[in-house]
Amino acid sequence: RKEVEQDPGPFNVPEGATVAFNCTYSNSASQSFFWYRQDCRKEPKLLMSVYSSGNEDGRFTAQLNRASQYISLLIRDSKLSDSATYLCVGNSGSARQLTFGSGTQLTVLP
Amino acid sequence: NAGVTQTPKFQVLKTGQSMTLQCAQDMNHNSMYWYRQDPGMGLRLIYYSASEGTTDKGEVPNGYNVSRLNKREFSLRLESAAPSQTSVYFCASHAGPSTEAFFGQGTRLTVV
Repeated sequence: RKEVEQDPGPFNVPEGATVAFNCTYSNSASQSFFWYRQDCRKEPKLLMSVYSSGNEDGRFTAQLNRASQYISLLIRDSKLSDSATYLCVGNSGSARQLTFGSGTQLTVLP
Repeated sequence: NAGVTQTPKFQVLKTGQSMTLQCAQDMNHNSMYWYRQDPGMGLRLIYYSASEGTTDKGEVPNGYNVSRLNKREFSLRLESAAPSQTSVYFCASHAGPSTEAFFGQGTRLTVV
């Protein structure tokens, strides 16, 4: 079983829709979590960190549920520019190295 | 500010050839990583270096070696390339486990 698992999608949604991605992690010792965004043929870039208390950045909200070992990303009022692959990331292991999920592909349609 | 620089950006190798992918960061980061990315597989960790002078295997280390030459540089070597190593390779670095990781632009490697 992969340490970080997420639904690969693809998610195809109309502009203005709200879309949610979930990600589960298996290592309860993981302490930090992130969502990264990756555009086609580009390198991943940090979208936001995920805190136990939840955090919001504009149209994006991230939540962490330690009891159920999952994290989520909610995108409200989707824009065409939100089309990308969203990667869930946790840190685990002796050096708390970064472990990536396989990514969820989002396409926002006009 | 260059961030993380990877070279080369593209490479075609014949089966059995060797090559070294170079990575350098100018952010004084402690930790550096090499990942490979294949369609539908996400990023899989090949090797990482938590600090200068240390390296450890990740999820898919077979067929690769690494060198953490100094704090700035972390190279990945393919001793005898195989078609299964055709992939996009990303180098990344960050200051510590709870901090943002920065990625290089990737190396697109094809082994024929």
